[in-house]
Amino acid sequence: ETGVTQTPRHLVMGMTNKKSLKCEQHLGHNAMYWYKQSAKKPLELMFVYSLEERVENNSVPSRFSPECPNSSHLFLHLHTLQPEDSALYLCASSPRLAGGLGANVLTFGAGSRLTVL
Amino acid sequence: SQQGEEDPQALSIQEGENATMNCSYKTSINNLQWYRQNSGRGLVHLILIRSNEREKHSGRLRVTLDTSKKSSSLLITASRAADTASYFCATDSNSGYALNFGKGTSLLVTP
Repeated sequence: ETGVTQTPRHLVMGMTNKKSLKCEQHLGHNAMYWYKQSAKKPLELMFVYSLEERVENNSVPSRFSPECPNSSHLFLHLHTLQPEDSALYLCASSPRLAGGLGANVLTFGAGSRLTVL
Repeated sequence: SQQGEEDPQALSIQEGENATMNCSYKTSINNLQWYRQNSGRGLVHLILIRSNEREKHSGRLRVTLDTSKKSSSLLITASRAADTASYFCATDSNSGYALNFGKGTSLLVTP
């Protein structure tokens, strides 16, 4: 247990479904992230939140909708997904945003394995 | 955007041997980190090296950083079967808010 909890661990959904991924951390971190991990590809940064405000959105399709109601919780709402969206979705948190001179270590959750049929 | 690029993509060794993985990156960095991922799990932080450091040790891990060549290496000494995992380098810089990861090196250590 890393201190970052992701649910569900596995999700199978059809292309017309609406579902949500949840991430929770109680490490007192101020920054939270969604990454997508597909086979044979680098981790793709999707969204970055700092103190509940979105600071980066890496050209992610609108069928992925993030929500950060407070600094401990992060959601990824999914609707009308495509089969190519099947991947491992990783949530991470850190004490503060990366960048600048301060070192910033990410703590990851175990991931949510998404399969889109 | 992808910053780190690990090499080799896959590495297979026997227990007791040393494993060396390399990482190259493209732009100036503040820090470089190495993470490990067991199959189907999240990434776990291993070690961080700052841009003004050249070498760092942590247990059986040794990391080097050459900023002139924009490269880093991770050495795992006396490997064990439990070291079987994927290893990623990650960089941060002044131009972004998050770490940028490569595709990783898949390490298999056989008994």
